Formats: sequence, C-alpha cells, structure tokens
Amino acid sequence: SQQGEEDPQALSIQEGENATMNCSYKTSINNLQWYRQNSGRGLVHLILIRSNEREKHSGRLRVTLDTSKKSSSLLITASRAADTASYFCATDYNNDMRFGAGTRLTVKP
Amino acid sequence: GAVVSQHPSWVICKSGTSVKIECRSLDFQATTMFWYRQFPKQSLMLMATSNEGSKATYEQGVEKDKFLINHASLTLSTLTVTSAHPEDSSFYICSARDPGRVSYGYTFGSGTRLTVV
Repeated sequence: SQQGEEDPQALSIQEGENATMNCSYKTSINNLQWYRQNSGRGLVHLILIRSNEREKHSGRLRVTLDTSKKSSSLLITASRAADTASYFCATDYNNDMRFGAGTRLTVKP
Repeated sequence: GAVVSQHPSWVICKSGTSVKIECRSLDFQATTMFWYRQFPKQSLMLMATSNEGSKATYEQGVEKDKFLINHASLTLSTLTVTSAHPEDSSFYICSARDPGRVSYGYTFGSGTRLTVV
C-alpha cells in the first residue's frame, strides 16, 4: 500500500523558475527519500534525509523534513527542461519502503 | 556506485504463459530485494520483499502462487508471472540497497514492461 500523499499531483512551470513538491506520510520513519522517474524508466535516487535531520541540500535540490507534521518538501531551484519527470517521495522504516503518489513536473523551455 | 540490472526491459507474451524477470545487483550483495508494480501514471506499489535463502514476504492482496519470487543468491532475484493474463500487464521494477551505501538510498532496476496479449 502507498504511504502518503504528494501535492501537487501535477506541476507545470517555466524554465528558470523554482518547483516545490510536498509529501505527507502517516507512520514512523527512519528516513525519507526522494526519487525521480522519467517516463517508462526506473527510478533514480535524488536525496535521503534522516528522521533526525530537518534540511538537506544537494546541488539545486533542497529537501526539508518536519516529523511533527509528518511532511517533507522538495525544492528544485532554477529548473531546466531536463528536470521534466515524475518525482516520488518514499518513506523508509526498518527496510520497509513505501512510495507517495508522485508529482508530475513539466518544465517548459 | 551501486548498480541493479533488470532484464528483460520489455516483454510481450500470450495469455496463459509464464514470464520470468531477473533482477541482479552487479557490484554489491543484496540479502533483500524488493519488487514493485506500477500502472500508468501511478505510483509504485510494493508487491513483495525477496529474501536470499528464504521465502519472500508478499504484500496483502498479492497472489504468491501467481507471482513467484526466487532469491537463490546474494546477487539475483527473479519474479515469475505465472499464467499471465492481460490484467497483469504493467511495469515491474525491482530494487535493492547496497549495505555499504545506506545513505544513498535504494537502487532501482530500469524496469520491465510486461504486455500480455
């Protein structure tokens, strides 16, 4: 079963703008991960944030985690057309990983 | 980095036949592998957890007799869809985690698109 919700379900922005995706979950976690999936392909790991961390950066990616609200956000700054993909959050608890519904991001050139 | 190879990338089979999908960890040993199913424009749904040397753990609602999982070695897990029907058509993805690279998350195979005609 899926773990939680992501919003928005779809997001369309212009190149150069920032994209923010949110993820809410329901249970305890050891860590939360964000993945990217191009259409019809496998998933690529983007970033992992542990339950005791609040914010993490990797290049143009910024992830926040609020365990009190059971929510996380992924910010992609200065978006590019190549960032067009589906983005999924996944919660990991004792090796049990569950995915959110995903956000389909379209970046227009 | 950790690499997971999944084969085949796509397969078309006739209704009633069986299809085997392989998932290999190329540069690490994986005692546990995971099998997911994804329908178009939907998220990944965990089907089962494959454990090396023991029986797989199936999620509720997943038929273990239909989706046979074998994890005979530390680098190979297979998913066999038995007596496939058109409703089994889907995108199947495996994943594993390199125990030496836990902070890098899970590595996914490239997926197998199964079409049952």
